[in-house]
Amino acid sequence: GESVGLHLPTLSVQEGDNSIINCAYSNSASDYFIWYKQESGKGPQFIIDIRSNMDKRQGQRVTVLLNKTVKHLSLQIAATQPGDSAVYFCAENEMGDYKLSFGAGTTVTVRA
Amino acid sequence: GAVVSQHPSRVICKSGTSVKIECRSLDFQATTMFWYRQFPKQSLMLMATSNEGSKATYEQGVEKDKFLINHASLTLSTLTVTSAHPEDSSFYICSARDRRNGQEKLFFGSGTQLSVL
Repeated sequence: GESVGLHLPTLSVQEGDNSIINCAYSNSASDYFIWYKQESGKGPQFIIDIRSNMDKRQGQRVTVLLNKTVKHLSLQIAATQPGDSAVYFCAENEMGDYKLSFGAGTTVTVRA
Repeated sequence: GAVVSQHPSRVICKSGTSVKIECRSLDFQATTMFWYRQFPKQSLMLMATSNEGSKATYEQGVEKDKFLINHASLTLSTLTVTSAHPEDSSFYICSARDRRNGQEKLFFGSGTQLSVL
């Protein structure tokens, strides 16, 4: 499939502020999108997902926005905490086969 | 919640030896598992799809004779890196597809760091 990419490779945010992580995808046929968090030396951890029939979905302290017109995905983290420091990946899938294509990743560093 | 266990978490081997990595779904049956490889500071790249009871399907550029996949039961898939060389050193991650209760989720293992000397 086509690649999924991220706009910014790193993000530094003050503790307590909101974080916004962006992702651009190029496969217009993608219909399922997931955000993962990966800490050093560990596997990806599911954060939140969204299907293409939605444009917004909220979880605990996180919100995912999907703009299909410009093929853009974002993850918003409210009141960022030190434990949020990690690499964040967006992933996309089409056809429901769960063969995910991952973006390059954004490293989020939370300043105390 | 569902858990996927991956073992070992870290392995160091000599060049030319083979290494087996196990991926287990602990509380659900997974007819489909996936194997990814991740180089330092890079993203996850899908290597192959492991199908229970049938041959694995490999992504373009992944050598099936080099990376042997066996999915002999509904809870276990293994990846064997044969005749490992230093360039095979990487972080290998599996995931398992949970299709219970009409909902689908994908869960990842904790990864295996392979270092080939």
